[in-house]
Amino acid sequence: DAKTTQPTSMDCAEGRAANLPCNHSTISGNEYVYWYRQIHSQGPQYIIHGLKNNETNEMASLIITEDRKSSTLILPHATLRDTAVYYCIVRVEGNKLVFGAGTILRVKS
Amino acid sequence: NAGVTQTPKFRVLKTGQSMTLLCAQDMNHEYMYWYRQDPGMGLRLIHYSVGEGTTAKGEVPDGYNVSRLKKQNFLLGLESAAPSQTSVYFCASQDRTQYSNQPQHFGDGTRLSIL
Repeated sequence: DAKTTQPTSMDCAEGRAANLPCNHSTISGNEYVYWYRQIHSQGPQYIIHGLKNNETNEMASLIITEDRKSSTLILPHATLRDTAVYYCIVRVEGNKLVFGAGTILRVKS
Repeated sequence: NAGVTQTPKFRVLKTGQSMTLLCAQDMNHEYMYWYRQDPGMGLRLIHYSVGEGTTAKGEVPDGYNVSRLKKQNFLLGLESAAPSQTSVYFCASQDRTQYSNQPQHFGDGTRLSIL
């Protein structure tokens, strides 16, 4: 079973920041949080990952709470092309990723 | 830059037929994975490999076999296809780095229908 909980769907206006939450209350100390997204019919695309510090790259920012029980993925200026299913994943058992159902993000003009 | 390449992209089989899905990566990654994705569900791990000549079972290994004879290739075989194996299959590869937990990189998938 996935170790994360995400909302089923979210809407965001084009050009605004999209904030996608994820709960991972049972995360252990050495487990990373990964975010992937899947645009219709394509393979999952890696976005960002982190352990306990906030992270930023060219695609997004990842904010992890101090107790590490939750995190938020931020797409600073969402575009229509960001419409996708977003997966928050905590690595389990070595290198295996367990995908949950994810959040359907709909960016609307 | 090719990354992870899966062949074929589409295939239709009859029940009982066999086939092999090929995954090739050009990033010199140690780890490779096969997942399946069914409608409305996340990806489920079938088999994986942590290096040339090694394979291991994932969550849903039954009905599949794999081989990793060369570092860059990971093959997924269906010996006797069943309708329940109709799915989209994704391959992924990952660099082995002890401290930084590198992400997995995915191919674009193989869409397989079993009639």
